[in-house]
Amino acid sequence: DVKVTQSSRYLVKRTGEKVFLECVQDMDHENMFWYRQDPGLGLRLIYFSYDVKMKEKGDIPEGYSVSREKKERFSLILESASTNQTSMYLCASSHAQWDNSPLHFGNGTRLTVT
Amino acid sequence: SQQGEEDPQALSIQEGENATMNCSYKTSINNLQWYRQNSGRGLVHLILIRSNEREKHSGRLRVTLDTSKKSSSLLITASQAADTASYFCATDENTGGFKTIFGAGTRLFVKA
Repeated sequence: DVKVTQSSRYLVKRTGEKVFLECVQDMDHENMFWYRQDPGLGLRLIYFSYDVKMKEKGDIPEGYSVSREKKERFSLILESASTNQTSMYLCASSHAQWDNSPLHFGNGTRLTVT
Repeated sequence: SQQGEEDPQALSIQEGENATMNCSYKTSINNLQWYRQNSGRGLVHLILIRSNEREKHSGRLRVTLDTSKKSSSLLITASQAADTASYFCATDENTGGFKTIFGAGTRLFVKA
């Protein structure tokens, strides 16, 4: 079974801090994604990557950056955390195919910015 | 952008009853997927239906797709308490893949 591991289940950070959310997958997937999930808004795509060192903006990239130095690891960076970035963050991965293959999700990181 | 929108937002049924959830989307798609999320966890993929398919089954799940109406439905037959979860439809934007866009989900509660 594919395993997508997010480094923290819960994080509490202060406004202005730099925050790193780490995600590792063990199935050699080419594609990796970061979503945030908020009540009533569903999942919104922040960034995705289809290869090492490649990244593409999703629908809400402002205030975030990403890093993909190795195929198995995709990091989400909050350069200067703000209270409106309090949310559940979900990492996912999938095989690269010409059409969408199923996404495999981690269990999420619930981030609180105070 | 939010591609899929589920209806209803919440559904409460008795164990043994069938549950039907609907999804509408806006642009043309290559395929549509349904996912389940148990409280506080990540999403789990349930089923994928391609744009040239009209119906697909997997165990107690039945998915239909009507591309003319840009809509899909997920039917869970003989529901169980363990089916209590949120259900999301997801579609690809018509960009050739990679981006999967989710709706806001339907919260299903199955009473034992």
